[in-house]
Amino acid sequence: KAGVTQTPRYLIKTRGQQVTLSCSPISGHRSVSWYQQTPGQGLQFLFEYFSETQRNKGNFPGRFSGRQFSNSRSEMNVSTLELGDSALYLCASSFRGIEGGLSGNTIYFGEGSWLTVV
Amino acid sequence: QQQVKQSPQSLIVQKGGISIINCAYENTAFDYFPWYQQFPGKGPALLIAIRPDVSEKKEGRFTISFNKSAKQFSLHIMDSQPGDSATYFCAASRRQAGTALIFGKGTTLSVSS
Repeated sequence: KAGVTQTPRYLIKTRGQQVTLSCSPISGHRSVSWYQQTPGQGLQFLFEYFSETQRNKGNFPGRFSGRQFSNSRSEMNVSTLELGDSALYLCASSFRGIEGGLSGNTIYFGEGSWLTVV
Repeated sequence: QQQVKQSPQSLIVQKGGISIINCAYENTAFDYFPWYQQFPGKGPALLIAIRPDVSEKKEGRFTISFNKSAKQFSLHIMDSQPGDSATYFCAASRRQAGTALIFGKGTTLSVSS
């Protein structure tokens, strides 16, 4: 079974530009969430999508947005990039999200997209 | 406000020794406590997880100990091996928050041979 796939793996953008990152969850998983990982702040939750609806949102500015498609694939967008947005952006998928027991909530991470803002 | 505090920040253990990483949480509504392992260049991978109605869970060389009254939980790695050298993250979440995990800052473990 294929894991969580993220594209692109590496990218460099200029301050002020925007970027779109893509995520394909594990087949059958309907919940996709996004995290930002930096050396200083660690792993921080951005938002979660379930059945094309944003279900939960972390404490990030409105420049960070996302969406989910009917096939559960997800994209996140960061507009007006700042130097501080340089980070590893991780996508994670799970089978059910809120419902289900311990195994149903297991969250699987992709390898991430490394974004460098210059 | 850091809701999950993890210590130590780094840890060096001899091969065959026991690695212990501790986490403390503040929100008593948390009901799911996973541990993730991350190697350089890779995404975090789930190691083991526990619910607060259980005081201990063991999977192979990895054990979670959970103390609900103290709001603390820890990861024990028995017979530590050089291949265990990685960064370990504890996390917590509320079932009603879906998959929104709150992570600790991480512990970099080095197992020397």
